[in-house]
Amino acid sequence: QQQVKQSPQSLIVQKGGISIINCAYENTAFDYFPWYQQFPGKGPALLIAIRPDVSEKKEGRFTISFNKSAKQFSLHIMDSQPGDSATYFCAAVNSGGSNYKLTFGKGTLLTVNP
Amino acid sequence: GAGVSQTPSNKVTEKGKYVELRCDPISGHTALYWYRQSLGQGPEFLIYFQGTGAADDSGLPNDRFFAVRPEGSVSTLKIQRTERGDSAVYLCASSAGLNTGELFFGEGSRLTVL
Repeated sequence: QQQVKQSPQSLIVQKGGISIINCAYENTAFDYFPWYQQFPGKGPALLIAIRPDVSEKKEGRFTISFNKSAKQFSLHIMDSQPGDSATYFCAAVNSGGSNYKLTFGKGTLLTVNP
Repeated sequence: GAGVSQTPSNKVTEKGKYVELRCDPISGHTALYWYRQSLGQGPEFLIYFQGTGAADDSGLPNDRFFAVRPEGSVSTLKIQRTERGDSAVYLCASSAGLNTGELFFGEGSRLTVL
């Protein structure tokens, strides 16, 4: 059972455009939703995260939109740049549990053309 | 070093051999995680340590996999009787403790079983 579903699998955007990646989850116990960015040959790095008590969080060009009733959240990258080309993973966790076990989506390979 | 260090970065072995993968977390981080990332997939949780003890090993696929963290710092993931299906990137991550909101990943150890 895939608890976090991510789409699209790949995305090509022109420089300056908006990149949108969507995720849906099933486990209502999830209460922390981070996005990780991974460059080839590197480990994932935290980009931005949100808790369900807010519907949106913005950090620079990156925004998370969260819809608790629909159990969906999305990452928007404004003014996309070639340096943003990477694989993006959404994730979810029940932070109130006895551990911090992240459940990741399958990833979206973003390519930003110059 | 300042980040999570994993060795070896690449390991090629033959089916049936024994393999050890090492993780040196960020100094002072009490929580340590192992994840496995197959090609085109998101990282999958294997095991979590809080200090020296394995607080959650529910992600280990079978009894051929074992991990230790004897002094609460460096961890070793051990795989016995390797199979071709074990081929993947094994990622280690650390964090300062529960509910800190961020895992710091190493660059991973790429294991190839021939």
